[in-house]
Amino acid sequence: QKEVEQNSGPLSVPEGAIASLNCTYSDRGSQSFFWYRQYSGKSPELIMSIYSNGDKEDGRFTAQLNKASQYVSLLIRDSQPSDSATYLCAVMDSNYQLIWGAGTKLIIKP
Amino acid sequence: DTGVSQDPRHKITKRGQNVTFRCDPISEHNRLYWYRQTLGQGPEFLTYFQNEAQLEKSRLLSDRFSAERPKGSFSTLEIQRTEQGDSAMYLCASGGDRSNQPQHFGDGTRLSIL
Repeated sequence: QKEVEQNSGPLSVPEGAIASLNCTYSDRGSQSFFWYRQYSGKSPELIMSIYSNGDKEDGRFTAQLNKASQYVSLLIRDSQPSDSATYLCAVMDSNYQLIWGAGTKLIIKP
Repeated sequence: DTGVSQDPRHKITKRGQNVTFRCDPISEHNRLYWYRQTLGQGPEFLTYFQNEAQLEKSRLLSDRFSAERPKGSFSTLEIQRTEQGDSAMYLCASGGDRSNQPQHFGDGTRLSIL
């Protein structure tokens, strides 16, 4: 059974601080990794894709991938109240099937 | 706007009725996915189309569920003889030519079974 694991939270972070969200996956053959943001009652919105080991930065967001440890993370710098949402980690396995985590609920406290 | 479009946004129906949802993907995308999501869970894969061909269907999917993509453009998802447990958000996503490209979601159809 291929799995993607996330801490369900909620993760509470003060406004302006760095939020760190983590995800581990079981399929070593996975090649593509995605972070989606989902506001309550809305559909998932893609915020980051990462395919190679290392860091990828886009504005206040940084995705980090370590394939040896089967670990992918998302850092949000200068957290804003509007960042409060559930963050879903999705991993494309060796069969090009997206395996989803259950999401981490992030709360940014003003 | 050329994003993924789903219709209707909300559907309330009585148990036992049939419902049909429509999805219009991003026009240049040939991959189309249907998911179901309940509160506190990630999206659950239902089925996948490459153009008009249905290439994958979840083993968890009841025979009451059927999906089509007749001309490789829009898709429909039908649920027959709805049950209480079918209440969920039904999400459609589309993706580009390369299998490792990300999927982009529509706003979803929220189904409530009375």
